[in-house]
Amino acid sequence: AQKVTQAQTEISVVEKEDVTLDCVYETRDTTYYLFWYKQPPSGELVFLIRRNSFDEQNEISGRYSWNFQKSTSSFNFTITASQVVDSAVYFCALHFMDTGRRALTFGSGTRLQVQP
Amino acid sequence: EPEVTQTPSHQVTQMGQEVILRCVPISNHLYFYWYRQILGQKVEFLVSFYNNEISEKSEIFDDQFSVERPDGSNFTLKIRSTKLEDSAMYFCASGGTSGPQDTQYFGPGTRLTVL
Repeated sequence: AQKVTQAQTEISVVEKEDVTLDCVYETRDTTYYLFWYKQPPSGELVFLIRRNSFDEQNEISGRYSWNFQKSTSSFNFTITASQVVDSAVYFCALHFMDTGRRALTFGSGTRLQVQP
Repeated sequence: EPEVTQTPSHQVTQMGQEVILRCVPISNHLYFYWYRQILGQKVEFLVSFYNNEISEKSEIFDDQFSVERPDGSNFTLKIRSTKLEDSAMYFCASGGTSGPQDTQYFGPGTRLTVL
């Protein structure tokens, strides 16, 4: 089965706290791409990051960082020093490639509320 | 920065009516997609389109749905006879030029309300 799980339904933090959003997946594919998207209250889906299954280097972009661990099938997202503008629903998604699929498979999303 | 656009932003229709949702993908992209998100739920894949034909579709994408690229810029999703359960946000996405592994960039969505 190919599945993406975001077990945290909702997280609430106070501004300036660090927060980690978890994403685990199941697949037997050897080639896949991993993504995070942000959905602010306005509703659009904003691309944040794309990694491939062969590159386990962690990535940092400003206050955002991503930790990909193939051994635990996880692709976690950390926001450092959170801000109110980070309040959104965050989706982890995977593109499973071995069978030539085109679709992104999304997790159920984690709603992050950052309180001032 | 190039972006995907969608019209209308909100469509209200009566059950049984036909609706057409419109998208303008990023101009040099070759791969196009429709997804939907029922309120408060996950984003679900509907269909992908490449080289003027459907390359993959989900179980949701039944005979009531069709897609078309009528000209060089627009990409449309038609629902022939809407049902109450078709109420959702519909997102168009476009991928790049290298292949289906390219990042999919999403439009702002069309909220469809079926009464």
